[in-house]
Amino acid sequence: LAKTTQPISMDSYEGQEVNITCSHNNIATNDYITWYQQFPSQGPRFIIQGYKTKVTNEVASLFIPADRKSSTLSLPRVSLSDTAVYYCLVGPGPGGSTLGRLYFGRGTQLTVWP
Amino acid sequence: EADIYQTPRYLVIGTGKKITLECSQTMGHDKMYWYQQDPGMELHLIHYSYGVNSTEKGDLSSESTVSRIRTEHFPLTLESARPSHTSQYLCASSEENEKLFFGSGTQLSVL
Repeated sequence: LAKTTQPISMDSYEGQEVNITCSHNNIATNDYITWYQQFPSQGPRFIIQGYKTKVTNEVASLFIPADRKSSTLSLPRVSLSDTAVYYCLVGPGPGGSTLGRLYFGRGTQLTVWP
Repeated sequence: EADIYQTPRYLVIGTGKKITLECSQTMGHDKMYWYQQDPGMELHLIHYSYGVNSTEKGDLSSESTVSRIRTEHFPLTLESARPSHTSQYLCASSEENEKLFFGSGTQLSVL
């Protein structure tokens, strides 16, 4: 499975847009990109998933360039409650089989300041 | 919100005790997982299951065991707890790959 590289930490202020980039140079043709959010002492929570171009939901947007070797999670107008660890995962999408081995790295610690 | 539950939320126990961490989901998911996570570190997959009577070890060697007798239930057992087992244990389930639903976790402390 393709591993990913993300910044260890990022800081932002309330109301700003935050972009977290993830590198996945070894992404396979049928791999999807998925992002999770984790608050302290809780399990990760699914945010968004995409295969190419742009995906948007009520929480975030995911931008994937044509070569798919990286992706960017965009959080619009962050608030203090967005302070969390964000994980980028790459692996087979719906219908695929990972044999259970989904790799969560150390993620990116986003801290939002007032 | 996902309907996956872990109990207990916190557990402090002495060395040598046998413990079982409970995990239940009401979504009918076939796939279930156990991850172990230390503070500020990555999640490590220790066990997973594709369905009833199906269990596999994950990437991180663990002295724990699991069972899957019912679809909704995936308990994890430590026969003899040691201080090195102190960690957060996260249970998850999924219907499709990479849309995992996690429980709130069990924080285990072994004295």
